[in-house]
Amino acid sequence: GAGVSQTPSNKVTEKGKYVELRCDPISGHTALYWYRQSLGQGPEFLIYFQGTGAADDSGLPNDRFFAVRPEGSVSTLKIQRTERGDSAVYLCASSLTSTHTGELFFGEGSRLTVL
Amino acid sequence: AQSVAQPEDQVNVAEGNPLTVKCTYSVSGNPYLFWYVQYPNRGLQFLLKYITGDNLVKGSYGFEAEFNKSQTSFHLKKPSALVSDSALYFCAVRDITRLGYKLSFGAGTTVTVRA
Repeated sequence: GAGVSQTPSNKVTEKGKYVELRCDPISGHTALYWYRQSLGQGPEFLIYFQGTGAADDSGLPNDRFFAVRPEGSVSTLKIQRTERGDSAVYLCASSLTSTHTGELFFGEGSRLTVL
Repeated sequence: AQSVAQPEDQVNVAEGNPLTVKCTYSVSGNPYLFWYVQYPNRGLQFLLKYITGDNLVKGSYGFEAEFNKSQTSFHLKKPSALVSDSALYFCAVRDITRLGYKLSFGAGTTVTVRA
């Protein structure tokens, strides 16, 4: 499809484990965003990339969270030593550029459950 | 930082009645405002945006929103609600960052349209 693709759609892990979440943006979109959505709340900004570089990582909650986008397309959000509080839906979005006035296009999210 | 507020957690209306979902904003400079809808277990879908120009913005699925600078509001409206409009609605504002922009979201409003 032509939309933003996220895998896995669901991930259940145990406390302390390492998790990777993948995002494949819309082809040609140079800006890529990660958000986290907890139950009953709005999406919370984590990080965004312009091309390969992390242009703003101010939303990452702590150093257990890290994201990469090595070739300027697919991005991976990495969470080390997961905690129960990390349970949420992780949303990825892309846009043509991060200076464009257009909207963000969202994937369906990866639901992470930490037991 | 720019922000939006959605004062109502829930809105309930009968099918065929007008629907209004409220949003107020707090920004420095000119606001760029957006509405998104989220159906159960789905990603966010763009409805409409206000960048500049006409205060009444028309969007997808028969929705429109009115930008009101004096009241710092951007309420979402639909003249005649459908049961299928039942979903979670988010207002968002563009927030400038060092190398581009991101969207900051409100907490969301759950809309229930009863038959």
